Amino acid sequence: DSGVTQTPKHLITATGQRVTLRCSPRSGDLSVYWYQQSLDQGLQFLIQYYNGEERAKGNILERFSAQQFPDLHSELNLSSLELGDSALYFCASSVDAGAGLDETQYFGPGTRLLVL
Amino acid sequence: DAKTTQPPSMDCAEGRAANLPCNHSTISGNEYVYWYRQIHSQGPQYIIHGLKNNETNEMASLIITEDRKSSTLILPHATLRDTAVYYCIVNTNAGKSTFGDGTTLTVKP
Repeated sequence: DSGVTQTPKHLITATGQRVTLRCSPRSGDLSVYWYQQSLDQGLQFLIQYYNGEERAKGNILERFSAQQFPDLHSELNLSSLELGDSALYFCASSVDAGAGLDETQYFGPGTRLLVL
Repeated sequence: DAKTTQPPSMDCAEGRAANLPCNHSTISGNEYVYWYRQIHSQGPQYIIHGLKNNETNEMASLIITEDRKSSTLILPHATLRDTAVYYCIVNTNAGKSTFGDGTTLTVKP
């Protein structure tokens, strides 16, 4: 158990809909990362937040957005869903995003999204 | 961002050491080398990381070459439960973590 929690575990929805995925980081961690993993593919970095502020952005679609709240939990919002958005979505957290410091990431169990 | 290159797959006999290589020739001086593994569709699991020196923990050893352009993850006594996809990544302080396709390690009885 990494200490990172994600809800829901599974989500089934229809094309065109909007969903929200939730992540609670490990106690004390300030950074939250979101990744997408499509079937039999590697992890694609989407976005990172550090202490409530966007820190880095990867291959995140404009239909997707995220935020980190004052209590440090994060939400990933996916809208106008398409069939190709079906994937595993992982959240990870780390202690700090300071320059020159290591950033060991601890991953949650993931949310499996199926768009029909 | 520094990129990594790993062989797509490797086999290892149970009980033997598994040596997983990774090339990261464009690594910068302040970038760490990290290893994670993912068993089936579970969340990736942190294994070990290092900057310059070799590192060892209860899971594995990490050997980083002197020029830092490559590294090797060593699982000293592989078990069937070590069958997984192993990712070598270089962490920048910009926070962008590029996971490649990793190496699928299959431990065989």
